[in-house]
Amino acid sequence: QQQVKQSPQSLIVQKGGISIINCAYENTAFDYFPWYQQFPGKGPALLIAIRPDVSEKKEGRFTISFNKSAKQFSLHIMDSQPGDSATYFCAASLFLGTDKLIFGTGTRLQVFP
Amino acid sequence: NAGVMQNPRHLVRRRGQEARLRCSPMKGHSHVYWYRQLPEEGLKFMVYLQKENIIDESGMPKERFSAEFPKEGPSILRIQQVVRGDSAAYFCASSPAVANYGYTFGSGTRLTVV
Repeated sequence: QQQVKQSPQSLIVQKGGISIINCAYENTAFDYFPWYQQFPGKGPALLIAIRPDVSEKKEGRFTISFNKSAKQFSLHIMDSQPGDSATYFCAASLFLGTDKLIFGTGTRLQVFP
Repeated sequence: NAGVMQNPRHLVRRRGQEARLRCSPMKGHSHVYWYRQLPEEGLKFMVYLQKENIIDESGMPKERFSAEFPKEGPSILRIQQVVRGDSAAYFCASSPAVANYGYTFGSGTRLTVV
């Protein structure tokens, strides 16, 4: 119930391509779905987040697509750049700001020039 | 305020010693969360604290681990009698005492048990 399943485990994309990472959850009470980017030796940094009352949110080259009925959400990185090479984590929480985040297992993205 | 401050950045302990990890939340934040990240793995929730209270410790191992967030000073994650399996990166995040605000993570403490 509290798990967030993330796929793929690793992803290799050519520069300029689209990177797509998927997550699925079971608990329909989750109310906040963020994506975090982590570079080696650094802490996770919030990339983009969505609440379940919208189906899509776009910030620059990053888009979250949210499918409430399927209990799935995904991160799309358009025009992927070598600087996007990092590990990406999806997460979910019951109450934004006053509850723990449950993280997916992570996707290591490599973007080649 | 430079954000969530964690220290030390790196900590080496021999098996059986104690490890103390510190986390100073962002100014104005009174909620602290601790996570553990094993090499090549995701972040696992350990404990959620508010000032002087443990709210959720469902992710804490039953033995050797404890956490506190006193009225004054940083939050402390304490690991007694460390074992090699405790080697990991430990991250702290903070949020304000208001719903609908996000979480800010520190840069972590990398614990190595030798």
